[in-house]
Amino acid sequence: DTGVSQNPRHKITKRGQNVTFRCDPISEHNRLYWYRQTLGQGPEFLTYFQNEAQLEKSRLLSDRFSAERPKGSFSTLEIQRTEQGDSAMYLCASSPRTLGGSNEKLFFGSGTQLSVL
Amino acid sequence: KQEVTQIPAALSVPEGENLVLNCSFTDSAIYNLQWFRQDPGKGLTSLLLIQSSQREQTSGRLNASLDKSSGRSTLYIAASQPGDSATYLCAVKVRSGGSNYKLTFGKGTLLTVNP
Repeated sequence: DTGVSQNPRHKITKRGQNVTFRCDPISEHNRLYWYRQTLGQGPEFLTYFQNEAQLEKSRLLSDRFSAERPKGSFSTLEIQRTEQGDSAMYLCASSPRTLGGSNEKLFFGSGTQLSVL
Repeated sequence: KQEVTQIPAALSVPEGENLVLNCSFTDSAIYNLQWFRQDPGKGLTSLLLIQSSQREQTSGRLNASLDKSSGRSTLYIAASQPGDSATYLCAVKVRSGGSNYKLTFGKGTLLTVNP
C-alpha cells in the first residue's frame, strides 16, 4: 500500500492554457474523489467516481473542468482555458468498498498545487 | 445545506499543554465525522473517524468525541508536542443525493505548539 499518489505536485501555468492532473488511488479502492482547496479554506467536493462511473459532480465543476477514470483505476482532472480563480490545491482521495456509509474512511493524496498566472 | 464551523481558527500553546479543538455542524443527519491533520502545502492525513452511532474514538494522545444531536465534536490532544503543529480539519459525511455521499469540511484550526 503506497498511498494515494498525485502528479504533478506543483503546476504553474499561464491563463488560458489547459492543464491535466493525475491521481493514482490506493490499489483496489473502488471509490475516488476530487476536492479543491483554496488558502485558508477547507477542501470542497468536486466530483466522485465509483469504479469507472462518475456518479456526481459539484456545481463548482464548471464546463471547463472534466474528470475521467478509465478502467476504474487512475483518474485525470483536466481544466481547460485556465483562469486565475482556478489557482488552488487539487486533492484526490480514495476509499475502499465498505458495508454501510458510516464506516467509509477517505485516504487523501498530497495534492497538486496549481498556480495560474 | 450542511455547514461546518471550527473554533478557534488558530491556537498557540506551550509544549506539554492539553488542548481541545472544537467542531460544530448545522445538520445532525451525518454518517460519520473525521478529523484530519494537514501540514503546510501537503495533503490530509486521517486521524480519527467516528461513526454516527459512536460517541468517541481514541488513538494515542488523541481523543475525539461526537454529540450528533447537538451538532458538536471535539478533538482532545494530550501532552502536546511541537510535532503536533499543523492545521486540524473536521469533516462530516453527508448524503449528497441518491446513494451518493460527500465530506463537508470546516476551515480548520491552525495549531502551533511552542517548545
